Amino acid sequence: EAGVTQSPTHLIKTRGQQATLRCSPISGHTSVYWYQQALGLGLQFLLWYDEGEERNRGNFPPRFSGRQFPNYSSELNVNALELEDSALYLCASSFDPGHSRGKLFFGSGTQLSVL
Amino acid sequence: AQSVTQLGSHVSVSEGALVLLRCNYSSSVPPYLFWYVQYPNQGLQLLLKYTTGATLVKGINGFEAEFKKSETSFHLTKPSAHMSDAAEYFCAVTNGGSQGNLIFGKGTKLSVKP
Repeated sequence: EAGVTQSPTHLIKTRGQQATLRCSPISGHTSVYWYQQALGLGLQFLLWYDEGEERNRGNFPPRFSGRQFPNYSSELNVNALELEDSALYLCASSFDPGHSRGKLFFGSGTQLSVL
Repeated sequence: AQSVTQLGSHVSVSEGALVLLRCNYSSSVPPYLFWYVQYPNQGLQLLLKYTTGATLVKGINGFEAEFKKSETSFHLTKPSAHMSDAAEYFCAVTNGGSQGNLIFGKGTKLSVKP
């Protein structure tokens, strides 16, 4: 069974550009979560999608957005990139939308560098 | 609001020694608690979780954690460290509600010396 896959592995952008990150969940999982892992800050929750809808959002500005497609894959878009957006972006999936009893399966991440 | 505090951003132990990684949480409702591990250049994987029931939870790779409500703690232990345990460990909390997101601590990097 394939795990959560993320692309690209690395992404280099310059300040002001837009970045698009992609995630394919494990087959059968309907929920996708995005986290930002910046150096020294741990994992910060960004977005949660389930069944194509945005269910919850972390404390990030509107230039962080995304969507979930009918096949449950997801895209994270970051507009007007700033230097502090440089981080590892992790995607996770779950078959239990509230994941109160389930567990998250994480991808290996996309390392975004903003120059 | 919920939060997690992991004491010690870096812990170093000798191979065969006890591993103790500390986690304290803050939650206004009964929490669900998790420990995840991140090996270099990989995503996170679940070590163990506490939802309800028995307060001593056993996970993979010989790790266990005990939920202590009176101390608001969920410390992770392993009796004997292996070199392969070197990784970053994250404690996380959710209240099991519909918010859908885990709140993670900042992580503790575990080094194991031969």
